[in-house]
Amino acid sequence: AQSVTQLGSHVSVSEGALVLLRCNYSSSVPPYLFWYVQYPNQGLQLLLKYTSAATLVKGINGFEAEFKKSETSFHLTKPSAHMSDAAEYFCAVSDSGTYKYIFGTGTRLKVLA
Amino acid sequence: GAVVSQHPSRVICKSGTSVKIECRSLDFQATTMFWYRQFPKQSLMLMATSNEGSKATYEQGVEKDKFLINHASLTLSTLTVTSAHPEDSSFYICSARDRTGGNPWTDTQYFGPGTRLTVL
Repeated sequence: AQSVTQLGSHVSVSEGALVLLRCNYSSSVPPYLFWYVQYPNQGLQLLLKYTSAATLVKGINGFEAEFKKSETSFHLTKPSAHMSDAAEYFCAVSDSGTYKYIFGTGTRLKVLA
Repeated sequence: GAVVSQHPSRVICKSGTSVKIECRSLDFQATTMFWYRQFPKQSLMLMATSNEGSKATYEQGVEKDKFLINHASLTLSTLTVTSAHPEDSSFYICSARDRTGGNPWTDTQYFGPGTRLTVL
């Protein structure tokens, strides 16, 4: 069965600093991975997804993620944080048998002025 | 594209009443929709999978008689919380699976904005 682990329930960065949100997956088959962002009292917005076409995936709002099979990781990065990036970020893997999403526990990003 | 709406965005009801939440895919057809529940500062918990024209599949521990799901068309699924009680208060989010990719495994789920239910 697939699973994802998000290390760090809270991450704080200064405005303009690098954003790094960690996601590790467990899967016996090639995984399909997603990053979503959730702003307060809103649904989830797709940032990017990995479907095996390219290991470096570029998403919206300047975010990107790199799939590393050897490390079973799919970390989300952004070179320079903006105040508007403050939100909850969820990593998810698509279950190969049911096509359901399995979500990580989320990481709350705080951007300091 | 790929917009999912939910209605209402917020509802307050008295204990014992029923509440219906609608989830619509506005610009694509969704043969499958999902209903999630999210507790404060927690991740999403999948409640059920809704397939157009067939019965919903509920996750373990979710009462299907309490959370009625109907997926009557390719663009609309509804969740009815029957005889709501204060412990049903939560943030309910739906998602719709966009099948344009052709591979169900890589299909993307697009999420609605959520419905905040408060049961008094």
